[in-house]
Amino acid sequence: DTEVTQTPKHLVMGMTNKKSLKCEQHMGHRAMYWYKQKAKKPPELMFVYSYEKLSINESVPSRFSPECPNSSLLNLHLHALQPEDSALYLCASSQESGLAVDTQYFGPGTRLTVL
Amino acid sequence: GESVGLHLPTLSVQEGDNSIINCAYSNSASDYFIWYKQESGKGPQFIIDIRSNMDKRQGQRVTVLLNKTVKHLSLQIAATQPGDSAVYFCAENIGGGSYIPTFGRGTSLIVHP
Repeated sequence: DTEVTQTPKHLVMGMTNKKSLKCEQHMGHRAMYWYKQKAKKPPELMFVYSYEKLSINESVPSRFSPECPNSSLLNLHLHALQPEDSALYLCASSQESGLAVDTQYFGPGTRLTVL
Repeated sequence: GESVGLHLPTLSVQEGDNSIINCAYSNSASDYFIWYKQESGKGPQFIIDIRSNMDKRQGQRVTVLLNKTVKHLSLQIAATQPGDSAVYFCAENIGGGSYIPTFGRGTSLIVHP
């Protein structure tokens, strides 16, 4: 199984809503990532979890709150978002072999629209 | 067909032609480079990678060339097919023990049947 799954595929929310994005992998990978991708732009790194601990937070606003409940799951909790937060949110995982050469596997993304 | 990547974000080719997608990277300390393909509505998909101690690596129908002198990376696709139509991103890993690739701008490849 070389698949990263993400739910939901699409999400529309208002600025006062609270919602969560979910990501799951069963490849035994120990590094998981959240990226944000605007249309026609490259993915931008938001967070990295390594062995279930947050290792990188790329100065992301606190209205985005990541959570890694276990080694297979990664959540992104959303609260009080702004319309400019509308984007494709991608989850990825990699083995975290420590060799600095690690293939990332991406999920299909969640298309988020903030009204 | 050839793209200069940062200056020509769209490359149109005919089916069967060879395609060349170029990428200029920024950091001379980068030690690992990856090409990703992103089809519409999907996440990026790994195509091929190359370490900084190599200058060429071949896969199935794809070849990556690395020129560290001018900090330039290219992806060559042989006998391009309509299924190759996608946005292609190069990514560099700056190293230092952690694997955090930084994505380049991307080039849209359009293959005409």
